[in-house]
Amino acid sequence: NAGVTQTPKFRILKIGQSMTLQCAQDMNHNYMYWYRQDPGMGLKLIYYSVGAGITDKGEVPNGYNVSRSTTEDFPLRLELAAPSQTSVYFCASSPRTGQGVNIQYFGAGTRLSVL
Amino acid sequence: AQSVTQLGSHVSVSEGALVLLRCNYSSSVPPYLFWYVQYPNQGLQLLLKYTSAATLVKGINGFEAEFKKSETSFHLTKPSAHMSDAAEYFCAVSRNSGGYQKVTFGIGTKLQVIP
Repeated sequence: NAGVTQTPKFRILKIGQSMTLQCAQDMNHNYMYWYRQDPGMGLKLIYYSVGAGITDKGEVPNGYNVSRSTTEDFPLRLELAAPSQTSVYFCASSPRTGQGVNIQYFGAGTRLSVL
Repeated sequence: AQSVTQLGSHVSVSEGALVLLRCNYSSSVPPYLFWYVQYPNQGLQLLLKYTSAATLVKGINGFEAEFKKSETSFHLTKPSAHMSDAAEYFCAVSRNSGGYQKVTFGIGTKLQVIP
């Protein structure tokens, strides 16, 4: 029962470097999300996807890009890393529910430091 | 618009004492409400959910929450705290937005259990 798998678990970047945070789910969920978590700030939605080929911006999309070529994978791209992107990043997924309840399943997170 | 307010970013209780974590919500339509728990270095996991059925909702690990519409509250309780309950707890509200359920998280409450 893998659920939502995020890689890497930790990463240190230099300012201006780029990287991709990987996220994969094996539950055949339609919806996937990227959040960042900063101390005392809760979770902020960066991007989300309602299905393969469909993505949309959340609350804090600047500095990030996403793609969703398959149902399983939802990578998050940082093009020019900045210190403000130091955070813990969580990927989550949820099944299509129509008017029903959106229960999200989270990965273990990626801790990113930009120095 | 929807939002949740968690009162108290840190709560300390003695082992065996009552746990009470407060959450008030704002929603223009009847909400779905959730409590998630995050243990150190892990992602969030669902503790319990309210979906307009019974107003008293029971979750995992002995936790429960009561939906009170008149008070717009969804407080989380547990009669007797265990050391293993030390974690961060997030209240969340969701509503339908363009065909999918948009979830808004509170800023979290860290629960410390004192032996």
